[in-house]
Amino acid sequence: AQSVTQLGSHVSVSEGALVLLRCNYSSSVPPYLFWYVQYPNQGLQLLLKYTTGATLVKGINGFEAEFKKSETSFHLTKPSAHMSDAAEYFCAVSDQTSGNTPLVFGKGTRLSVIA
Amino acid sequence: GAVVSQHPSWVICKSGTSVKIECRSLDFQATTMFWYRQFPKQSLMLMATSNEGSKATYEQGVEKDKFLINHASLTLSTLTVTSAHPEDSSFYICSARTGIYGYTFGSGTRLTVV
Repeated sequence: AQSVTQLGSHVSVSEGALVLLRCNYSSSVPPYLFWYVQYPNQGLQLLLKYTTGATLVKGINGFEAEFKKSETSFHLTKPSAHMSDAAEYFCAVSDQTSGNTPLVFGKGTRLSVIA
Repeated sequence: GAVVSQHPSWVICKSGTSVKIECRSLDFQATTMFWYRQFPKQSLMLMATSNEGSKATYEQGVEKDKFLINHASLTLSTLTVTSAHPEDSSFYICSARTGIYGYTFGSGTRLTVV
């Protein structure tokens, strides 16, 4: 079974500071990894995903994540936080072995950005 | 890009009544639809997986008689919360597979049972 662990339910950073949201996964097969952002009472927006190939993945809004197989990690970073980045962030994993495979989500990390 | 339209965005219903939530794939055919439930400040928990033309597969602990899922066509999947009670109040989100690597999500439905 696959699982995702997001370290830190709440992260607070100053505007302009580095954002680092941690995600570790467990999977018996090569994983496909995703980061989503959710604003209050809204659906999920895809930030970026890793499927195959380059392990450093760039996404929208200046976010990027690096797939590290040896560390089973897929941490999300952004060099400079903006007030609009304040939201809930979810890391998710899928094994993609069949079309019926759902995403398995971590518990989420709430990012606060302080002016 | 692939879009899933979810309606209604929010609904308030009286205890004991039923509520239907619709998810439509607008520009692609959704063979598989996933239904999630999200409690306040918590993660998304998979409720069921529905495939067009067949019965939904429910996760352990999800009452299939309370949460009726129908996936009668490649563009429409519905979730009906039957005899709703306050404890069913939650945020419900649907998700469809889009191609090999993709998933797209509806905008969610906030259900409040009073």
